[in-house]
Amino acid sequence: DTEVTQTPKHLVMGMTNKKSLKCEQHMGHRAMYWYKQKAKKPPELMFVYSYEKLSINESVPSRFSPECPNSSLLNLHLHALQPEDSALYLCASSQVDMGITSYNEQFFGPGTRLTVL
Amino acid sequence: KNQVEQSPQSLIILEGKNCTLQCNYTVSPFSNLRWYKQDTGRGPVSLTIMTFSENTKSNGRYTATLDADTKQSSLHITASQLSDSASYICVVSARGYNKLIFGAGTRLAVHP
Repeated sequence: DTEVTQTPKHLVMGMTNKKSLKCEQHMGHRAMYWYKQKAKKPPELMFVYSYEKLSINESVPSRFSPECPNSSLLNLHLHALQPEDSALYLCASSQVDMGITSYNEQFFGPGTRLTVL
Repeated sequence: KNQVEQSPQSLIILEGKNCTLQCNYTVSPFSNLRWYKQDTGRGPVSLTIMTFSENTKSNGRYTATLDADTKQSSLHITASQLSDSASYICVVSARGYNKLIFGAGTRLAVHP
């Protein structure tokens, strides 16, 4: 299984809602990533988990709260978002043995299209 | 400053034609360079990954080249198909830097 799955595919939420994005992989990867991608822009790294521990937080606002409950799952909890947070949220995973980003292939999920009203 | 620049920004070609996309980078110390294909609204899919010792790598109709001296890479697409319409993103990794450096991408449209 060489697939990263993400749910939901689309999400529309109001600024007062609380929602969660989910990501799952069964490739035995111990590094998992959240990226945010605005239209016609490259992905921007948000968080990196290595061995289920948060290793990188790219100064992301606290209204985004990541969670890695086990080695296969990665969640992104959303609360009090702003309309400018509307974007494609991508999850990725990779091996860690050669360093998080040194040579390890990152496999991306299909993304969740988030719209904040 | 670590940067990846891609050209052209966008490209339109006819089905069956070949094309070449360019990537220049100023990333040091260089670790590896990747080309991803991203369909609209979907996640990127890896095409190739190369270290400094690799000059060329192929994946079907896609061939990537790397010149580590001039810090340039190209992605050549042969006999284009309508399904090649997508954004192609050049991504560079620096040793000891826990972040991939993404180019802005080239948007390719293949017309019948």
